Amino acid sequence: AQSVAQPEDQVNVAEGNPLTVKCTYSVSGNPYLFWYVQYPNRGLQFLLKYITGDNLVKGSYGFEAEFNKSQTSFHLKKPSALVSDSALYFCAVILGSARQLTFGSGTQLTVLP
Amino acid sequence: ETGVTQSPTHLIKTRGQQVTLRCSSQSGHNTVSWYQQALGQGPQFIFQYYREEENGRGNFPPRFSGLQFPNYSSELNVNALELDDSALYLCASSLAAGHPDGYTFGSGTRLTVV
Repeated sequence: AQSVAQPEDQVNVAEGNPLTVKCTYSVSGNPYLFWYVQYPNRGLQFLLKYITGDNLVKGSYGFEAEFNKSQTSFHLKKPSALVSDSALYFCAVILGSARQLTFGSGTQLTVLP
Repeated sequence: ETGVTQSPTHLIKTRGQQVTLRCSSQSGHNTVSWYQQALGQGPQFIFQYYREEENGRGNFPPRFSGLQFPNYSSELNVNALELDDSALYLCASSLAAGHPDGYTFGSGTRLTVV
């Protein structure tokens, strides 16, 4: 079945260190992939997307993600984490007959001061 | 350019009641999707509307229904509320279903069923 997965429920990283939040997908054809961030009691904010072209995508707030077709992954990265990056991160892919946005289960990122 | 707005932001209902949630789509967007996000989980697709017609539905019972209006705003109606319906309900709009520009989300409506 086509899907998107986030294998880590929780990621902890020290402020100033690089961070990675993992995402893998199982989609036929060429996927449209997205990362969203959610702060407590808020909606989802768009970070970045991969549609086609360069495998390294740069997005908001210094985040970037690398599309790896052979590993079917789309990991979110940031070279130097900030405490304010602490939030819930969702990977998503366009799927289904309605071509709706389908989300992974989310990864809680905690950046420790 | 305005974003997606949802109302109300919070509400409390009693089991068995009915509720209507509202969403105004971003200017220029003709597709609206609704999601349910239970605490600690990812958003689950409820259904999607394109030009006033439902064009896709997730695994939700018929007591979840919706409407889209000519101005592309939308309503989510839930009948016979159950305790498990307590969740954050998110509305998202897009230029079209599966459009590569992606979806713009509202801040959500927090529904508590007691």
